[in-house]
Amino acid sequence: NAGVTQTPKFQVLKTGQSMTLQCAQDMNHEYMSWYRQDPGMGLRLIHYSVGAGITDQGEVPNGYNVSRSTTEDFPLRLLSAAPSQTSVYFCASSYLDRASTDTQYFGPGTRLTVL
Amino acid sequence: AQKVTQAQTEISVVEKEDVTLDCVYETRDTTYYLFWYKQPPSGELVFLIRRNSFDEQNEISGRYSWNFQKSTSSFNFTITASQVVDSAVYFCALLLGGADGLTFGKGTHLIIQP
Repeated sequence: NAGVTQTPKFQVLKTGQSMTLQCAQDMNHEYMSWYRQDPGMGLRLIHYSVGAGITDQGEVPNGYNVSRSTTEDFPLRLLSAAPSQTSVYFCASSYLDRASTDTQYFGPGTRLTVL
Repeated sequence: AQKVTQAQTEISVVEKEDVTLDCVYETRDTTYYLFWYKQPPSGELVFLIRRNSFDEQNEISGRYSWNFQKSTSSFNFTITASQVVDSAVYFCALLLGGADGLTFGKGTHLIIQP
């Protein structure tokens, strides 16, 4: 099992550019989510999905779009990047049943800089 | 709304000292799960422990121990005989029974000096 994979590891964008951060998992997890980590802020939830075709907003969704067409993939799109979106982005997955899952499995992160 | 507070922004101790990282959480739910994650300088998030709200038993794993007290809404983490390799940012997090994600504290940066 590769677990949760994220690409790219690093990315530099100019203000106004668009890009997609990729996230994939091979554990057949129903639940997938995106977090951003900013200095001194901990991790904050951007969007999450409880299954293919179902997504919902987290704490900080503005400026980001997501879709879930398959169980395995959960891409995060920045339509028009802004310097405030400079951050480290983590994707996570788990089983939907909270009682039976031991943890959220996190990807290695994508470090994004918007100039 | 739920909240996790890690009041200690940074702790610095000398190797072999014991150190306790504090975590206080807020939720009205009766079913919830508490986590600790370690983030070493390399940046990945390493899962340390999960506790559910119905299990207040303290846990020990080697030099690590956790004290869960519902009466004070705390889930503190103690490292005994700290080592330089323990230097990292440690996050406490709360997960509710619904579909929402983890609520993280802001983290405690632990520095172990040789």
